[in-house]
Amino acid sequence: EVHLVESGGGLVKPGGSLRLSCAGSGFTFSNAWMSWVRQAPGKGLEWVGRIKSIRDGGTTDYAAPVKGRFSISRDDSRNTLFLQMDSLKSDDTAVFYCAAALGGMSGAFDHWGQGSLVTVSS
Amino acid sequence: DIVMTQSPDSLAVSLGERATINCKSSQSVLYSSNDKNYLTWYQQKPGQPPKLLIYWASTRESGVPDRFSGSGSGTDFTLTISSLQAEDVAVYYCQQYYSTPYTFGQGTKLEIK
Repeated sequence: EVHLVESGGGLVKPGGSLRLSCAGSGFTFSNAWMSWVRQAPGKGLEWVGRIKSIRDGGTTDYAAPVKGRFSISRDDSRNTLFLQMDSLKSDDTAVFYCAAALGGMSGAFDHWGQGSLVTVSS
Repeated sequence: DIVMTQSPDSLAVSLGERATINCKSSQSVLYSSNDKNYLTWYQQKPGQPPKLLIYWASTRESGVPDRFSGSGSGTDFTLTISSLQAEDVAVYYCQQYYSTPYTFGQGTKLEIK
């Protein structure tokens, strides 16, 4: 069974940094293109960014609001996805989900973690 | 970026009745080389992550009840619940995966009338 488990969320001051992790199991993590999606309190879903598998180049794409501040990486030896968040703003307060499209449907996410709450506040 | 617009923002339907949610993209999400629409639908209940219902605009995910169906092509899409059940109360989102940045509709809140 596929599992995605996020960790690393918490309270951080504006301008601070935080790194989220997402541990994957039950699938071949190294083959998966992984994304982060966030949801501000009471709001809709927002795609944050994606990292391709290493065999497909390992490249990353980001949404405009986070480009230059957030960085996605992966450690396939540990089946873990990371989201490094720097220069955090209050607008970044959200539940962050890691998500994967494992059924060959490109960016249609058939597996999600339970989410990790990031609160940016002084 | 492709903008996704859902209508209505909220919807109240009686149990057993049909619910219809619309989604419009600012540009076509139909990839001509494979004739697939890169459009998906999710259901999200409070305190839970989204759940994939439909992909390629009309393919139902395994385990999803057949009362859920997706239709449309190009820029206009519809999610239909043929006979609303109590457990279908949720927020529904469409999302395009034709190009990055992937983008979601604003969501439609479905309630029981």
